[in-house]
Amino acid sequence: GDSVTQMEGPVTLSEEAFLTINCTYTATGYPSLFWYVQYPGEGLQLLLKATKADDKGSNKGFEATYRKETTSFHLEKGSVQVSDSAVYFCALSHNNNDMRFGAGTRLTVKP
Amino acid sequence: GAGVSQSPSNKVTEKGKDVELRCDPISGHTALYWYRQSLGQGLEFLIYFQGNSAPDKSGLPSDRFSAERTGGSVSTLTIQRTQQEDSAVYLCASSSRTGQGYTFGSGTRLTVV
Repeated sequence: GDSVTQMEGPVTLSEEAFLTINCTYTATGYPSLFWYVQYPGEGLQLLLKATKADDKGSNKGFEATYRKETTSFHLEKGSVQVSDSAVYFCALSHNNNDMRFGAGTRLTVKP
Repeated sequence: GAGVSQSPSNKVTEKGKDVELRCDPISGHTALYWYRQSLGQGLEFLIYFQGNSAPDKSGLPSDRFSAERTGGSVSTLTIQRTQQEDSAVYLCASSSRTGQGYTFGSGTRLTVV
């Protein structure tokens, strides 16, 4: 069945460092791909998405490109801030009714 | 409402008791999902409701777990005879059919003592 694998955390970075969180997927067909973010004490929020190959999702300085050839959707940010400290989840979905989530990657950004 | 609302936000219960967790989805969202997030773990799918269709219960871990959705809106997740391993954050999400992703509630943190 469909699945998502994302890099294990935790990830600890200094402020203004470059961030990459790797995500790869296994799926039939052409799913939509998502990144969700969970700030401490809150529910998950949709961060960005891409619905077809070569699409780039972006939001709040974060970017991820749907790479069909490598079945990847890596999350990147050029300069992280302390406020980016959260757990990040990669996910995929066909038809929006069977979202599969990765295990989550905890990011801590230190000043 | 403006977002997905879950109640209670925290619940502490004794082992063996029954608990009910409530989810009020975004108005007009036809799909509703329950997930469980255990400490240090990812999201575990529990159950999915879509409109008036029969729910997808494939993720429920045991017959102690059940859920219903009344009038296509509010949903209640019931856990009977709670066990310590049921301790987790229970997340509810809703979505429309337009593929915009899910909107999650803040969750209910359940602690079984």
